[in-house]
Amino acid sequence: DVKVTQSSRYLVKRTGEKVFLECVQDMDHENMFWYRQDPGLGLRLIYFSYDVKMKEKGDIPEGYSVSREKKERFSLILESASTNQTSMYLCASNWAGWTGELFFGEGSRLTVL
Amino acid sequence: KQEVTQIPAALSVPEGENLVLNCSFTDSAIYNLQWFRQDPGKGLTSLLLIQSSQREQTSGRLNASLDKSSGRSTLYIAASQPGDSATYLCAVPQGAQKLVFGQGTRLTINP
Repeated sequence: DVKVTQSSRYLVKRTGEKVFLECVQDMDHENMFWYRQDPGLGLRLIYFSYDVKMKEKGDIPEGYSVSREKKERFSLILESASTNQTSMYLCASNWAGWTGELFFGEGSRLTVL
Repeated sequence: KQEVTQIPAALSVPEGENLVLNCSFTDSAIYNLQWFRQDPGKGLTSLLLIQSSQREQTSGRLNASLDKSSGRSTLYIAASQPGDSATYLCAVPQGAQKLVFGQGTRLTINP
């Protein structure tokens, strides 16, 4: 079975802190994605990566950056957390662009105080 | 621009009923359509992926159909159980750029 693991299920941070959200997949997928999910707004794509050290902006990249140093690991970084970044963050991966089956992790619920 | 709509937003049925969830999309030039399940506070679980060349895909009590020409997909759940209670989302690629998700249907199966 495909496994996408997000290291932290729940985090509470203070405004201005730097936050790292880690995601690891075990299926040798080329593509990895970070979404955030908010009530009434649905899922919104923050960043995605189609190869090691490659990244592309999604719909809402402002306030975020990403890192992909190894194929299996994709990190989302909040350089200076703000209260409007309180959300559920979901990592996903697949083999072949947007046409391959997408697999999600369990999610990371971030609260910024 | 691709738009995906799921109606109704919420559905409540008694246990044992067969039910259909709907998904419509505006641009019929899609590669595939994927159905997901999401439990409260959890991530999305992939249920079925239908390729554009297929009309149906089945997994256990679930059957998904795809009609590209009309821009519609349905997810049929047979003999519903309380454990089927969750939010069900569909998603389609927008060209070769990104996935567009519906807002989901929140399903409650009453014992």
